[in-house]
Amino acid sequence: EVQLVESGGGLVQPGRSLRLSCAASGFTFDDYAMHWVRQAPGKGLEWVSGISWNSGSIGYADSVKGRFTISRDNAKNSLYLQMNSLRAEDMALYYCAKGEGSGSYHSNIFDYWGQGALVTVSS
Amino acid sequence: EIVMTQSPATLSVSPGEGATLSCRASQSVNSNLAWYQQKPGQAPRLLIYGASTRATGIPARFSGSGSGTEFTLTISSLQSEDFAVYYCQQYNNWPLTFGGGTKVEIE
Repeated sequence: EVQLVESGGGLVQPGRSLRLSCAASGFTFDDYAMHWVRQAPGKGLEWVSGISWNSGSIGYADSVKGRFTISRDNAKNSLYLQMNSLRAEDMALYYCAKGEGSGSYHSNIFDYWGQGALVTVSS
Repeated sequence: EIVMTQSPATLSVSPGEGATLSCRASQSVNSNLAWYQQKPGQAPRLLIYGASTRATGIPARFSGSGSGTEFTLTISSLQSEDFAVYYCQQYNNWPLTFGGGTKVEIE
């Protein structure tokens, strides 16, 4: 059974940093791209960042480019999101999501999701 | 960035009736379009990818169609568990983008 478990969320002041982690199990982690998708309270879904199976291809939403860094450790079956210079508008539930398949397109379909880590940005 | 626009924002339907949800892309995404269902307090669930291919375990009452810039998700004979918010997502280009969602509610 595929499981994705996020951790590291919490309350942080504007301008500070936070690191999210996602522990994956139930599949061969280093075969698949992984992503972070967020959802502000009462709002829709927003893709934040994605990383290919070998970290060779990385992408970011314009809203987080230059402030957030995605990474993965295939030996630990883990995905990370380093979030710096946090803003009020970054407050959201952050989901870790697995890419559905291989290839440049199927890797960008989200077939499994975690339950999310809540990030609250407030002074 | 490709902008995805969903309509209507809210759809009121009686159980047993059908529903048609629309999604429009600001430029062609070919058939690289997925649909997700999200219920309150839950993570989204993949329904459709490739514009028309049902994901594993998705009932046949869910169907998708379209290509290029115009896409449709059709739910035939709505069941109680189908009342939820539905999102479309294009994966033709980075940044990946979602539509704003359509809430399907009980009439």
